[in-house]
Amino acid sequence: EVQLVESGGGLVQPGRSLRLSCAASGFTFDDYTMNWVRQAPGKGLEWVSGINWNSGSMGYADSVRGRFTMSRDNAKNSLYLQMNSLRPEDTAVYYCAKAGTSGILIIGYMDVWGKGTTVTVSS
Amino acid sequence: DIVMTQSPATLSVSPGERVTLSCRASQSLGSNLAWYQHKPGQAPRLLIYGASTRATGIPARFSGSGSGTEFTLTISSLQSEDFAVYYCQQYNGWHTFGGGTKVEIK
Repeated sequence: EVQLVESGGGLVQPGRSLRLSCAASGFTFDDYTMNWVRQAPGKGLEWVSGINWNSGSMGYADSVRGRFTMSRDNAKNSLYLQMNSLRPEDTAVYYCAKAGTSGILIIGYMDVWGKGTTVTVSS
Repeated sequence: DIVMTQSPATLSVSPGERVTLSCRASQSLGSNLAWYQHKPGQAPRLLIYGASTRATGIPARFSGSGSGTEFTLTISSLQSEDFAVYYCQQYNGWHTFGGGTKVEIK
């Protein structure tokens, strides 16, 4: 069974850092681009970042560029999101999502999602 | 950035009814559009990609159509498990999602 499990969320003060993880199983992890997508309370889905199979290409939403860094460890089938200089508007459920097709591109649809981990930024 | 606009924001429907959801893009996407279903506390679920191709395991009552800037998701006969929020997503450029359409019980 293809599965993505996020972890690392929690309550953090503005300006501090947090690192999210996503454990993947049930598919050949290093064949696929991976993404982070978030949903703020009462809001819709917002793509945060994507990374291709070999970390050679990455993309970020304007709202997080320069503060968030995405990475992956193919040997551990794991995805990460290092979030620095956190702001209250970063409060959201963060989802890890797998690209629907293998290849080198970052952009594409997402066919498997995790259940998310909640990040709350508040003093 | 490509802006995605979904309408209506909320749809009140009775089980068994036919439902049509709309998604409009600010520039042409070709067929690079996906639809997702999202229920509270659950992972979003891919329904449609390539504007009209059903994802694996998606019932035939879900269908997608359109190209360019106008797209539609149709549920031919709404089942109780279909009450949820539906999002469109473009992947012709950096991903953007529509604001969602909530399908609620009438």
